[in-house]
Amino acid sequence: GIQVEQSPPDLILQEGANSTLRCNFSDSVNNLQWFHQNPWGQLINLFYIPSGTKQNGRLSATTVATERYSLLYISSSQTTDSGVYFCAVPNSNSGYALNFGKGTSLLVTP
Amino acid sequence: ETGVTQSPTHLIKTRGQQVTLRCSSQSGHNTVSWYQQALGQGPQFIFQYYREEENGRGNFPPRFSGLQFPNYSSELNVNALELDDSALYLCASSLADDGELFFGEGSRLTVL
Repeated sequence: GIQVEQSPPDLILQEGANSTLRCNFSDSVNNLQWFHQNPWGQLINLFYIPSGTKQNGRLSATTVATERYSLLYISSSQTTDSGVYFCAVPNSNSGYALNFGKGTSLLVTP
Repeated sequence: ETGVTQSPTHLIKTRGQQVTLRCSSQSGHNTVSWYQQALGQGPQFIFQYYREEENGRGNFPPRFSGLQFPNYSSELNVNALELDDSALYLCASSLADDGELFFGEGSRLTVL
């Protein structure tokens, strides 16, 4: 199945700083999702972005499908941005499933 | 809020017991999938249901089974619980022709 690698695995930021999270995948995909998992465990949809760039407030994402990577940008980080960020792509062997990376654990300090 | 609801939110079972977890999908969504998330890991696909039939399964043993009902809600059943089954179980709903998934808050299972 398709492999998903996220970097960095851990990140500590001071409030107000910017960051870039990366997601590499091993095969071509027809969709990609970014999620934020809050401390209570819920996965919150951030972006559904098979290709191109999208922005939502302080967050934006870019997927370059031909080069098999996606980037999540967080600007002017806030403490509420803390949590784990996952990217996920369809599993080529089971087209209905999403394959998740191991996530980037982000801590934003005051 | 995604509109996907799961119950119970937390439960504790002992090894060998059976558990049933429930999920109500987002309004209008006809596909439900289940994921297991162990501590410190990303979610792993268990199976997916569409029109009350399983139409995709991950690498999980047969003691993990499920149902989907006519109203698109779903159950995950796990028999003969093992300690390694302790995890967060996440339900997601989607439209069959659209790959975007929306997750519930999860059911956290502890097996003692």
